[in-house]
Amino acid sequence: SQQGEEDPQALSIQEGENATMNCSYKTSINNLQWYRQNSGRGLVHLILIRSNEREKHSGRLRVTLDTSKKSSSLLITASRAADTASYFCATAWGPSGYALNFGKGTSLLVTP
Amino acid sequence: DVKVTQSSRYLVKRTGEKVFLECVQDMDHENMFWYRQDPGLGLRLIYFSYDVKMKEKGDIPEGYSVSREKKERFSLILESASTNQTSMYLCASSLLRSRRTGGDSYEQYFGPGTRLTVT
Repeated sequence: SQQGEEDPQALSIQEGENATMNCSYKTSINNLQWYRQNSGRGLVHLILIRSNEREKHSGRLRVTLDTSKKSSSLLITASRAADTASYFCATAWGPSGYALNFGKGTSLLVTP
Repeated sequence: DVKVTQSSRYLVKRTGEKVFLECVQDMDHENMFWYRQDPGLGLRLIYFSYDVKMKEKGDIPEGYSVSREKKERFSLILESASTNQTSMYLCASSLLRSRRTGGDSYEQYFGPGTRLTVT
């Protein structure tokens, strides 16, 4: 299957700094979603951006989408230790769009 | 509060055993999914179901089967467990994508995961 690919694989920053993660995908999309996973737990949905949107905000999260480059970025501003987690982008899997393809994720470590 | 529950957080089984992983959601969602997550490989889709008694294969269905007899419950079955099925198994659910409106894939709600070890 065609997965999104996050970049970088791992990121380490200090509290208060901004964290930027990127996602590239291969096929045309209706939307792209970002999820967070705390260590050893299930994923939690963060934000969905539609193909006709270029930017979306939710609290300290800012997501951009460039469909011409088939890429998206997730920016977490003023990061906190509690933001330490893995972050995944996801796009529709298969023609039905019922399921999602997840990338391999970016592991973010925020140190106090 | 929406909820997806999985029958076990940790499970240890022996090679050759038949293993049942249960998932229940209380959100009246049409779609349910099973993924496995392995280091360096991310999440991979095993099977999903968009209605009772309906199922579709994902990327890695070999060695697995599923059952959906009721809307709220989706079971993953390892017919004869093998060591290469040692993994974290994640269940998720979502609303059904609207064909009529050509709508978006909806957000998925995940359970806490079952870490299965096959020895």
